[in-house]
Amino acid sequence: LAKTTQPISMDSYEGQEVNITCSHNNIATNDYITWYQQFPSQGPRFIIQGYKTKVTNEVASLFIPADRKSSTLSLPRVSLSDTAVYYCLVGDTGRRALTFGSGTRLQVQP
Amino acid sequence: SAVISQKPSRDICQRGTSLTIQCQVDSQVTMMFWYRQQPGQSLTLIATANQGSEATYESGFVIDKFPISRPNLTFSTLTVSNMSPEDSSIYLCSVGLQGAKGEKLFFGSGTQLSVL
Repeated sequence: LAKTTQPISMDSYEGQEVNITCSHNNIATNDYITWYQQFPSQGPRFIIQGYKTKVTNEVASLFIPADRKSSTLSLPRVSLSDTAVYYCLVGDTGRRALTFGSGTRLQVQP
Repeated sequence: SAVISQKPSRDICQRGTSLTIQCQVDSQVTMMFWYRQQPGQSLTLIATANQGSEATYESGFVIDKFPISRPNLTFSTLTVSNMSPEDSSIYLCSVGLQGAKGEKLFFGSGTQLSVL
């Protein structure tokens, strides 16, 4: 399973765009890239998933370069409620459970 | 998506006792996973539970300590046996669902366990 590396923490202010980059140098051909968000006292929650190029949904965008060795989660105009830990996971469909890395603790300030 | 009900949500237990955590899913799923999350840490996979077969344990976790049952496609239990304070943690049940773009994990809200 591909190992992922993320910044341990990031700080931002309300209304700013936040970009969290994840490195996954040994990503396999069949691997997808998935991001999860976790609030205190809750289980992680799916945010966005992609394979290549750009994916956008109602809460975030995911940018994946051509070599797929990294990915960037972009949160537009963050609010205080976006304060959470964000995990990048890389894995193949149907394989054993995805392994969580250390995650990025995002703190949004007023 | 999947809705996962996990109980108890929290418990305080005495050293040497055992606690069984239940996980109920609102749809049939092949694979269920049990994770542990210690305070301020990331999630660590304990085991993968497939219906009709023995659970597969990750390195550092053994069946005698964390026996798992998977009697059907919507239910699983994890027992934390002979507990010690080091077992104080959040235990999370998860399922993987295959979507058009890849597998997604869905989680219960967790069981916060404190061992005295």
